[in-house]
Amino acid sequence: ETGVTQSPTHLIKTRGQQVTLRCSSQSGHNTVSWYQQALGQGPQFIFQYYREEENGRGNFPPRFSGLQFPNYSSELNVNALELDDSALYLCASSSLAGVADTQYFGPGTRLTVL
Amino acid sequence: DAKTTQPNSMESNEEEPVHLPCNHSTISGTDYIHWYRQLPSQGPEYVIHGLTSNVNNRMASLAIAEDRKSSTLILHRATLRDAAVYYCILRGQASNYQLIWGAGTKLIIKP
Repeated sequence: ETGVTQSPTHLIKTRGQQVTLRCSSQSGHNTVSWYQQALGQGPQFIFQYYREEENGRGNFPPRFSGLQFPNYSSELNVNALELDDSALYLCASSSLAGVADTQYFGPGTRLTVL
Repeated sequence: DAKTTQPNSMESNEEEPVHLPCNHSTISGTDYIHWYRQLPSQGPEYVIHGLTSNVNNRMASLAIAEDRKSSTLILHRATLRDAAVYYCILRGQASNYQLIWGAGTKLIIKP
């Protein structure tokens, strides 16, 4: 069973640029959630995709957008990067989009915005 | 959002039990209590979850107070590999059924 993978591992961008982060979900999972984790803080929920549809969103501006593909892999896109977007971006997959499901996390992508 | 309160950090000796407390006085009847942990330089990892009854799995036990306003994660015999940040999270209608994370408890294991 393949776990959740994310690419790239690290990324450096400059302010105003756009970035795309990728996530491959665990086999058999149809739900992907994305989180932003600033240094020393807990993860913050960005949004969730269930069967290719957005299924919930946290307090993030529209320049954070996503996609889920038919194979349930997912992308997180961030436009007009700001310095505060520097963080670890985590994706998690699960087999249900419910209150009792277990989320399985990837190792994250470390984004640095200069 | 339903909130949880955890100590910022705790220390324990290797091979001893660890009890990690969590207060959630505003919990609603349908909120699940989830615990995740994050080892250094890794993504979070699921530990355990429960609704009303105490729960056990291969990693830990979850003891839930009768009024559900607090819970305790129990690691029966801590090892150095258990050093991590442990997050107690309520998941239910108030959080739109998503995981809303606090700052967690940093667990330090002394050899």
